[in-house]
Amino acid sequence: EAGVAQSPRYKIIEKRQSVAFWCNPISGHATLYWYQQILGQGPKLLIQFQNNGVVDDSQLPKDRFSAERLKGVDSTLKIQPAKLEDSAVYLCASSRTGGWQTQYFGPGTRLLVL
Amino acid sequence: GIQVEQSPPDLILQEGANSTLRCNFSDSVNNLQWFHQNPWGQLINLFYIPSGTKQNGRLSATTVATERYSLLYISSSQTTDSGVYFCAVPSMRGGSEKLVFGKGTKLTVNP
Repeated sequence: EAGVAQSPRYKIIEKRQSVAFWCNPISGHATLYWYQQILGQGPKLLIQFQNNGVVDDSQLPKDRFSAERLKGVDSTLKIQPAKLEDSAVYLCASSRTGGWQTQYFGPGTRLLVL
Repeated sequence: GIQVEQSPPDLILQEGANSTLRCNFSDSVNNLQWFHQNPWGQLINLFYIPSGTKQNGRLSATTVATERYSLLYISSSQTTDSGVYFCAVPSMRGGSEKLVFGKGTKLTVNP
């Protein structure tokens, strides 16, 4: 079974630019999560999808971050415009049942905003 | 919301040594997970342990839910054990349970 795929693995941009990350969950997994992990901290949930509907986006900075999950499979997370404090690793995870217990994480995208 | 504290923040060992990592949480939980994040950033689930003790090879974990802590034991450490160890607990927010992570313990195992 293939794992959660993410791209790109690394991205360097200047502040005020836009950036997008892509995630392909494990086949058959209905629930998809995006986490932000700032250096020295644990991952923080940004948004959770169940199929293509949003379950929780309470910690997503909606003035600059957006996410979508078309057709309930792949997902993209966008930042526009980026700020210095957005430098972090963005992790995607998926689960079959929607329970937090069974999340599988992707390798992450490391973003550096200069 | 629930607070998760891990100690120590950093740990350096020689290969072959044993170690104990601790996770304290501020409120009652019905479950807890331990993760290992390797130096390349991949987060791997180690244990899903609401209470009691589980063992997997050289790693074992114990959760005492009534006292709000969990311990991760690593025996005969190897260089491949290096990385950051996180504990995470579920917290109800927005009508559904979400994982809340601690800040992690960074483990370095030297040859």
